[in-house]
Amino acid sequence: SAVISQKPSRDICQRGTSLTIQCQVDSQVTMMFWYRQQPGQSLTLIATANQGSEATYESGFVIDKFPISRPNLTFSTLTVSNMSPEDSSIYLCSVEGAVRYGYTFGSGTRLTVV
Amino acid sequence: DAKTTQPPSMDCAEGRAANLPCNHSTISGNEYVYWYRQIHSQGPQYIIHGLKNNETNEMASLIITEDRKSSTLILPHATLRDTAVYYCIVRVDNYGQNFVFGPGTRLSVLP
Repeated sequence: SAVISQKPSRDICQRGTSLTIQCQVDSQVTMMFWYRQQPGQSLTLIATANQGSEATYESGFVIDKFPISRPNLTFSTLTVSNMSPEDSSIYLCSVEGAVRYGYTFGSGTRLTVV
Repeated sequence: DAKTTQPPSMDCAEGRAANLPCNHSTISGNEYVYWYRQIHSQGPQYIIHGLKNNETNEMASLIITEDRKSSTLILPHATLRDTAVYYCIVRVDNYGQNFVFGPGTRLSVLP
């Protein structure tokens, strides 16, 4: 299955600033997914990112707050903009694994906003 | 919303089999049952999946009832490293279909 490198692994940020999270995959993939996991909660899909087109956002998530780039088939970024303490979460990217073997997830970015 | 129901938590003694149940009474004929787990501070890890037959791999066994409305994940000899949150997810086996995670079952393997 694909190997995902996600950076940074953790960060502490001031409110009002922005953080860009990078997701690098060791193979070409068509779709990449970004999830958020709030403290003590399950994973929630933020958006789906296809190469060459705008990301598709789930209800409750907007592009101005979570802009996503997908410049090629192995890389994507998620930016958390104008952060507030409520944005403190783990952010994870995932990609389709081998056929019918589900998805591979990155190790996540643990974000704390102070 | 997640289409599965799992107990919020379970305990299991180390070395014993851990049996994690999942109800998916509204599953469609073309939906697979997937199991993932998330060990603390890591991303979810794929365990196993199946359609209607029982499945086994090096990590676990998946038992799906004949009517497909429920399933059980079996860890045959649980170790302390199996302590994690286990997610049961039903999903159509189409490329690009995202996974919808419910709250899962927090399994604690006790020494």
